[in-house]
Amino acid sequence: GAVVSQHPSRVICKSGTSVKIECRSLDFQATTMFWYRQFPKKSLMLMATSNEGSKATYEQGVEKDKFLINHASLTLSTLTVTSAHPEDSSFYICSARDLNSGRNSPLHFGNGTRLTVT
Amino acid sequence: QKEVEQNSGPLSVPEGAIASLNCTYSDRGSQSFFWYRQYSGKSPELIMFIYSNGDKEDGRFTAQLNKASQYVSLLIRDSQPSDSATYLCASQAGSARQLTFGSGTQLTVLP
Repeated sequence: GAVVSQHPSRVICKSGTSVKIECRSLDFQATTMFWYRQFPKKSLMLMATSNEGSKATYEQGVEKDKFLINHASLTLSTLTVTSAHPEDSSFYICSARDLNSGRNSPLHFGNGTRLTVT
Repeated sequence: QKEVEQNSGPLSVPEGAIASLNCTYSDRGSQSFFWYRQYSGKSPELIMFIYSNGDKEDGRFTAQLNKASQYVSLLIRDSQPSDSATYLCASQAGSARQLTFGSGTQLTVLP
């Protein structure tokens, strides 16, 4: 089956530093990847849609200068949390869909990254 | 605003019983609907998806879709303690086919 690899799975950083999270589709290509954030006991909230070779599309209220997204190839998207603050601590999850899959095909999720900003 | 609503629960059922999870959505442009299961601290895993009105069965799971009522449900037959998790309903719409998630229903199956 389709596998999405997300790295790192857990990261602790200090306030003011930047953290990069990688999302790779291992056995399929994806022109679009989605980045979600989940706070404890809350649902997944879409942050942005990552588009291969073009700018990401951010959801309302998500700061594009703070959450930098790069989708440099059909198998890799990265999310960089810049100048991290404690309120950025959350569970970040990426997902992707095989570009050759059907219209109603499901998203495949990475294992998530637990970010803790101290 | 496009919304997906779920009863947050918690929902408790005895082992072997049928668990019924419900979901409503507001965007009539939604094309497909997905049920994911999420264990604490883990990423969601797909259980089923449905895009046609009616029922879709897969093992112990049955998804039901009623587009006129904008309602989706998931039935889990012969519930097992290992089914205890949070179940997320999601609708798919838009040109990028992004998913909008409900808040999830926490299910506990009691041994």
